[in-house]
Amino acid sequence: KNEVEQSPQNLTAQEGEFITINCSYSVGISALHWLQQHPGGGIVSLFMLSSGKKKHGRLIATINIQEKHSSLHITASHPRDSAVYICATRKTSGSRLTFGEGTQLTVNP
Amino acid sequence: GAGVSQSPSNKVTEKGKDVELRCDPISGHTALYWYRQSLGQGLEFLIYFQGNSAPDKSGLPSDRFSAERTGGSVSTLTIQRTQQEDSAVYLCASSSQWGDTQYFGPGTRLTVL
Repeated sequence: KNEVEQSPQNLTAQEGEFITINCSYSVGISALHWLQQHPGGGIVSLFMLSSGKKKHGRLIATINIQEKHSSLHITASHPRDSAVYICATRKTSGSRLTFGEGTQLTVNP
Repeated sequence: GAGVSQSPSNKVTEKGKDVELRCDPISGHTALYWYRQSLGQGLEFLIYFQGNSAPDKSGLPSDRFSAERTGGSVSTLTIQRTQQEDSAVYLCASSSQWGDTQYFGPGTRLTVL
């Protein structure tokens, strides 16, 4: 079992739909990151969370430390949201990030 | 301001050759990270530099891999005696300090024939 698991692996949605991507992890962490990787490979950091909830535009990220679970929500999805979304955790000791396998999101017009 | 830059963007080499990949972090960022993304695989941590501290090399897959960071800025990742399994996209990221948001470079796509 991977230390960081994401679901679903692939997700296809229609424009305008509300999208949820989930991330579960198995060890104590100091922070959790959500990253976006577009076709062509560029990676952008979306959120870094250690507790609670953060919102940026149509994106919302939440984390439940007790449940070891985080979700990334996209409201009013748009084709330009199509990308791979990656969850990564940083342990309470050390600096390295451990990555989930990513969720490939395709939003159709 | 300029983001993280990496060079070359693409590198094709023959098995057994040495390669050097370069990363220029965002000016003033004290933390620098190297990651690898093999085809169809997730991201994998390689090495981390923070200021003048000893680097965290715990992710380097073998002793053929090494990295240095000169003057607290530019970093070079060296792979000696490349193997086909080294083919991947090598990504560099930097942050203003440990634990902060990481800014990623565009990556170097390495192909070992």
